[in-house]
Amino acid sequence: ILNVEQSPQSLHVQEGDSTNFTCSFPSSNFYALHWYRWETAKSPEALFVMTLNGDEKKKGRISATLNTKEGYSYLYIKGSQPEDSATYLCASLTGANNLFFGTGTRLTVIP
Amino acid sequence: ETGVTQSPTHLIKTRGQQVTLRCSSQSGHNTVSWYQQALGQGPQFIFQYYREEENGRGNFPPRFSGLQFPNYSSELNVNALELDDSALYLCASSLEQRQGPYGYTFGSGTRLTVV
Repeated sequence: ILNVEQSPQSLHVQEGDSTNFTCSFPSSNFYALHWYRWETAKSPEALFVMTLNGDEKKKGRISATLNTKEGYSYLYIKGSQPEDSATYLCASLTGANNLFFGTGTRLTVIP
Repeated sequence: ETGVTQSPTHLIKTRGQQVTLRCSSQSGHNTVSWYQQALGQGPQFIFQYYREEENGRGNFPPRFSGLQFPNYSSELNVNALELDDSALYLCASSLEQRQGPYGYTFGSGTRLTVV
């Protein structure tokens, strides 16, 4: 079992603030790092899949970076909006096709 | 393009019973993975099916079993239900085993309660 950790567990920010969260994962047998956004009562939605050390991905106001050597990824949200409120999950994919998830960061954006 | 559909959405079963959960993959996807999310935890990998064959399994006992059909839809079967099996069960489909740049497409889950 792979130990994928996310911090913080929950976060409240004001509308317009920028924020970031951390995902740490074992760097051995690494294949890819996934980020998902999960709104209540909906399906988790893929945000990014990153594979290379130094990868940076961006989707609108959300971006992510990856450091496979030290085993961490950051997710950034610029100018948070109430519709960004969700749980953000990261998951590490090993060579054996197993996707190991962290427990998520629950973001609440206060209008 | 349809997404992933899971049925039923909610289910209550008695300890010791058997349950079957169903998942229809996104069109064009040939790989299905099942996850269990217990309260306060992240989703835990149960197993993956690729072209009707089991293609990886997590740390779950043999009473958790699955099937994938020629149309790539899938079933998760759990025998001899225990109270700890109460959880949200998520199905995710992908194109090929390693997902490429797109990640998994998830269903919205089946909430199983064992009493």
